[in-house]
Amino acid sequence: NAGVTQTPKFQVLKTGQSMTLQCAQDMNHEYMSWYRQDPGMGLRLIHYSVGAGITDQGEVPNGYNVSRSTTEDFPLRLLSAAPSQTSVYFCATQKNTEAFFGQGTRLTVV
Amino acid sequence: GNSVTQMEGPVTLSEEAFLTINCTYTATGYPSLFWYVQYPGEGLQLLLKATKADDKGSNKGFEATYRKETTSFHLEKGSVQVSDSAVYFCALSLRAYSGAGSYQLTFGKGTKLSVIP
Repeated sequence: NAGVTQTPKFQVLKTGQSMTLQCAQDMNHEYMSWYRQDPGMGLRLIHYSVGAGITDQGEVPNGYNVSRSTTEDFPLRLLSAAPSQTSVYFCATQKNTEAFFGQGTRLTVV
Repeated sequence: GNSVTQMEGPVTLSEEAFLTINCTYTATGYPSLFWYVQYPGEGLQLLLKATKADDKGSNKGFEATYRKETTSFHLEKGSVQVSDSAVYFCALSLRAYSGAGSYQLTFGKGTKLSVIP
């Protein structure tokens, strides 16, 4: 049972480049979310989805897009990367009040 | 809005020492409370939880009691081990009711614990 799988684990981008962080789950959970983790800031919610076809913004959505075409997948897109987006990104699913996290993607924008 | 405040780190303890990490919260409604742990290079995983006042969550020797009167959920362990070295996050989630926002977790900033032999 894989749980929540994120790819890639590490990525370096140049300013202005675009990329997609992948997140896939096999737990059949409706609720999925993306967080970023920065030193001294804890985890901040970027976007979330309560089911296929439904997404909404979290606390820090600017510069990121998401879509949810299937229950299993919830990709996060950076359209034009900026150094301020250097962070560790976590995808999570949620069942009732308990969250299940992927192992994270460490992104550096130079 | 909802918020979680936990003690600043880092915290460094010797093996077998007593651990307390303070956590207080503000929330509209009656939240569920959690402690998550993040080991180096990994994602967060649930350590323990409590869903109503006076509940005690426990796991792996860690305990925390939901104190509504003091809006607190302090994490304790009687004897820490080197393997407990990690970052600990306190979090809250409001109980489910209609509306997608009810499922959002709010995290504290995390407390890094280092246990030395």
